[in-house]
Amino acid sequence: KQEVTQIPAALSVPEGENLVLNCSFTDSAIYNLQWFRQDPGKGLTSLLLIQSSQREQTSGRLNASLDKSSGRSTLYIAASQPGDSATYLCAAPSSGTYKYIFGTGTRLKVLA
Amino acid sequence: DTGVSQNPRHKITKRGQNVTFRCDPISEHNRLYWYRQTLGQGPEFLTYFQNEAQLEKSRLLSDRFSAERPKGSFSTLEIQRTEQGDSAMYLCASSLEGESGYTFGSGTRLTVV
Repeated sequence: KQEVTQIPAALSVPEGENLVLNCSFTDSAIYNLQWFRQDPGKGLTSLLLIQSSQREQTSGRLNASLDKSSGRSTLYIAASQPGDSATYLCAAPSSGTYKYIFGTGTRLKVLA
Repeated sequence: DTGVSQNPRHKITKRGQNVTFRCDPISEHNRLYWYRQTLGQGPEFLTYFQNEAQLEKSRLLSDRFSAERPKGSFSTLEIQRTEQGDSAMYLCASSLEGESGYTFGSGTRLTVV
């Protein structure tokens, strides 16, 4: 049974800092992993999708890595901005299905 | 292509009433998923469809909940005899067959009073 854990639960940083959000999953037989952003009261916006054959994926100031053997993924945000303040969620597939299991997210606050 | 569309955006209902939500996925996506999210939690899986077939239902989906996708296009989620514990954000997502990842809609916020 897939379980996804995200640490830290909350993070507050000054503007301009580089930061790392962590995601761990228990079932490493995944075909991909997806990172999302959620603003308060809104739906989820896809940030990065990493296929199992990839080790990392980049989009602008965001970089996500995937290490299946250790059951870990990280989301690296470079030069953080106040507009990055949101909850970041990672999701991994449940074994043998196309449904995703989500972590509880990391609430990020970037201070101006 | 306008993405995944959910209606209504907000719904306030009295306990005991029935409510129905609609999700229109991205047109070429054949998989459609429903999730429920409460404050401070990640989304919890409810059910998913491949075309018109409902392939999996969570234990969270009690017999008061029913979902349909009659023609393999839009989907509806109905909650009968609503309870205060049903208050949550209901999220719909769609994906292409294969390993393409999810695209979510903006969600429907349900408040049961």
